[in-house]
Amino acid sequence: EAGVTQFPSHSVIEKGQTVTLRCDPISGHDNLYWYRRVMGKEIKFLLHFVKESKQDESGMPNNRFLAERTGGTYSTLKVQPAELEDSGVYFCASSLGGSSTDTQYFGPGTRLTVL
Amino acid sequence: DAKTTQPNSMESNEEEPVHLPCNHSTISGTDYIHWYRQLPSQGPEYVIHGLTSNVNNRMASLAIAEDRKSSTLILHRATLRDAAVYYCILRPNLYTGTASKLTFGTGTRLQVTL
Repeated sequence: EAGVTQFPSHSVIEKGQTVTLRCDPISGHDNLYWYRRVMGKEIKFLLHFVKESKQDESGMPNNRFLAERTGGTYSTLKVQPAELEDSGVYFCASSLGGSSTDTQYFGPGTRLTVL
Repeated sequence: DAKTTQPNSMESNEEEPVHLPCNHSTISGTDYIHWYRQLPSQGPEYVIHGLTSNVNNRMASLAIAEDRKSSTLILHRATLRDAAVYYCILRPNLYTGTASKLTFGTGTRLQVTL
């Protein structure tokens, strides 16, 4: 069974440009999460989808970030316009349930570099 | 959210047991203790979790102190492939959206040498 996949693996853009990251969760997983690690910092939660609904978006840094999960399958995270401080690794994870005992399965991440 | 404290780094020789400690003195009575690890250039992966009793799985063992203010992840025979950053994470025992997120700290970087 395929794990969580993310595309692209790397993205280099200039400040002010737009970038869209994609995450394909494990098939059948209703719960999808976005996290990121910016340079020198800890991995931080961004938001949580249950199917196509945003369950918790308390970690989204500002309105330059837009996450969608149309149809409840794959998800995209758009950064528009990108700023230098957005550079980092963006991880997607999925889980079958949303309880505190459900395992989250992570993708390999997308490394975003904003120049 | 209850916080965890872990040593920044630890070293181990291959084939020897490793005990990774975690302090969580402000743990709530219903918080689960989870461990994830992140291998180089990969996303985090689940290792083990527990509530009160010690737990074993194919990857590791989790020893939880009787007062639950600390726990220890035990790798019985470390291999080079176990070199990673290990995160001890508390998760509230709630079935709500906000309980789902993982709150990562700085973790413990484990180095394994021949």
